Amino acid sequence: DVKVTQSSRYLVKRTGEKVFLECVQDMDHENMFWYRQDPGLGLRLIYFSYDVKMKEKGDIPEGYSVSREKKERFSLILESASTNQTSMYLCASSLALREVSGPQETQYFGPGTRLLVL
Amino acid sequence: QKEVEQDPGPLSVPEGAIVSLNCTYSNSAFQYFMWYRQYSRKGPELLMYTYSSGNKEDGRFTAQVDKSSKYISLFIRDSQPSDSATYLCAMSQTSGSRLTFGEGTQLTVNP
Repeated sequence: DVKVTQSSRYLVKRTGEKVFLECVQDMDHENMFWYRQDPGLGLRLIYFSYDVKMKEKGDIPEGYSVSREKKERFSLILESASTNQTSMYLCASSLALREVSGPQETQYFGPGTRLLVL
Repeated sequence: QKEVEQDPGPLSVPEGAIVSLNCTYSNSAFQYFMWYRQYSRKGPELLMYTYSSGNKEDGRFTAQVDKSSKYISLFIRDSQPSDSATYLCAMSQTSGSRLTFGEGTQLTVNP
């Protein structure tokens, strides 16, 4: 069973704080993704990574950065948290593009981190 | 205009009803279509996966893709209270590439 875990289920931070959200997957997946989910807007891709030390901007990267030092771990960093970053953050992982062509390439999601920035 | 449009609902049906959930999209390059189910306070999980046009059936669930109309559907037969969740459509251009999600439809099945 694929397992994607996220470091916290709930977080409360203050404006201006640096925030780290950690994601770990145990299935040796190459691809990892960070989304945020907001009512009325659905899931929006922040950043993704196809390999260790590689990162690509998604649709809404502003105000965020990421780090992928190890294959199983993908971190999302809010350099200076703002109230408009209050959201549900979801991490996902999937197999590499070159290896599969079916539902195996499905993205598996973690349980999410609900972040409140005051 | 969003690339993928999905009615957010909420949708409320009695137990045993047939449920129809739909998404429309604008990008004709999408070839892979998925439905995810998300229970409250959980991450999305894959429910159905289809490639190109056609139907796919899995138990009480049927996914339909009509690429000519840029329209996908998920049908749930004999709906159960345990089907109460948010259903998200998702699609991609190539296998394994980034997904584009619909907003999600919140479904409640009443006993």
